[in-house]
Amino acid sequence: ELKVEQNPLFLSMQEGKNYTIYCNYSTTSDRLYWYRQDPGKSLESLFVLLSNGAVKQEGRLMASLDTKARLSTLHITAAVHDLSATYFCAVESGRSQGNLIFGKGTKLSVKP
Amino acid sequence: NAGVMQNPRHLVRRRGQEARLRCSPMKGHSHVYWYRQLPEEGLKFMVYLQKENIIDESGMPKERFSAEFPKEGPSILRIQQVVRGDSAAYFCASSPITETEAFFGQGTRLTVV
Repeated sequence: ELKVEQNPLFLSMQEGKNYTIYCNYSTTSDRLYWYRQDPGKSLESLFVLLSNGAVKQEGRLMASLDTKARLSTLHITAAVHDLSATYFCAVESGRSQGNLIFGKGTKLSVKP
Repeated sequence: NAGVMQNPRHLVRRRGQEARLRCSPMKGHSHVYWYRQLPEEGLKFMVYLQKENIIDESGMPKERFSAEFPKEGPSILRIQQVVRGDSAAYFCASSPITETEAFFGQGTRLTVV
């Protein structure tokens, strides 16, 4: 059974600091997704990583994928309060498109 | 182009009642996916539908749950005889034929009392 593990599950940061969220998955997968969810809201797609070595950046967030290690990272640079949210990674299960396996999420709180 | 529309946003049902959750995909999207999110958890895949076809229902509970995506109208997730454990947020997502990246709706938060 495909498993997706994120760590940490909770992260409290000060503004201006850097940190990395890790996403490990247990079997091969062609795509990895990162989503952001604000409390009571839907999921916002942040990144889709399609191949080994893929790196994508948007503002203060940068995501990378190492398919050999089955590891993706989401790096936060100089955090600001607006980044406070829960971040999920997800991989395709291989059963069908759209059948994604999600991690439990990393709840990020950025404090002034 | 409106996003994925779900309604109702909040739904309260008593134990034993039926819950019907609706999802209208984005314009031009013919693939619909339903996910369930329990408090403090990630999303769990339930079912993948195309128009008039269930493609993958590997995440659907065997009893009380059903889903459809008719030729006309929204996709419906139906939960019969709801129990407290069905309380969760139910998200619908849609994608076009040519892409696998799905876009999520705002969700329906079901509370069973």
